[in-house]
Amino acid sequence: SQTIHQWPATLVQPVGSPLSLECTVEGTSNPNLYWYRQAAGRGLQLLFYSVGIGQISSEVPQNLSASRPQDRQFILSSKKLLLSDSGFYLCAWSSERMNTEAFFGQGTRLTVV
Amino acid sequence: AQSVTQLDSHVSVSEGTPVLLRCNYSSSYSPSLFWYVQHPNKGLQLLLKYTSAATLVKGINGFEAEFKKSETSFHLTKPSAHMSDAAEYFCVVSDLVNNNDMRFGAGTRLTVKP
Repeated sequence: SQTIHQWPATLVQPVGSPLSLECTVEGTSNPNLYWYRQAAGRGLQLLFYSVGIGQISSEVPQNLSASRPQDRQFILSSKKLLLSDSGFYLCAWSSERMNTEAFFGQGTRLTVV
Repeated sequence: AQSVTQLDSHVSVSEGTPVLLRCNYSSSYSPSLFWYVQHPNKGLQLLLKYTSAATLVKGINGFEAEFKKSETSFHLTKPSAHMSDAAEYFCVVSDLVNNNDMRFGAGTRLTVKP
């Protein structure tokens, strides 16, 4: 069966420090991969999605970036965190087949101080 | 691009009474629609999905939703609320034109009073 792993679960980082959140999927190949951010009391904002290795689509201009070095690995990064980067980050995957649901990781609670 | 509007940011019901969470969508092609539930500080769990089959979709935990193309709606309902239903609910749309990426509504927080 397919599983998705996202880590760390919680992270406290100072302003200006770098960020790296990792997400891996097991049990499937060539998944669509997504990074979402959920600010306190708000819905989910799509940050990046990827349909294949090295293929990244960015939805919102910001100081975050994403990379997909391997088929089932999706990394969210920042060179210098801002206070406004605080939030709940969720990684998700869906099948390359159309019209299938997404499966979510357990999320990373990032607090920038 | 496709989009979703959840008409209520917060819904409060009494235990044992019906639940209605409203969702309207915009899509340039045949959409797929989903409802997810999120409990505090947790990931999202799929409740149900519509993918161009039966318009009345039954999901887990007694929830169901009806796809109404003429109204561009996909409202979530449950006949009788339970305390454990208190959570955040998200309506989601995806379509083929936009490479199957999924767009979330802002969410509806459901409170269940004893």
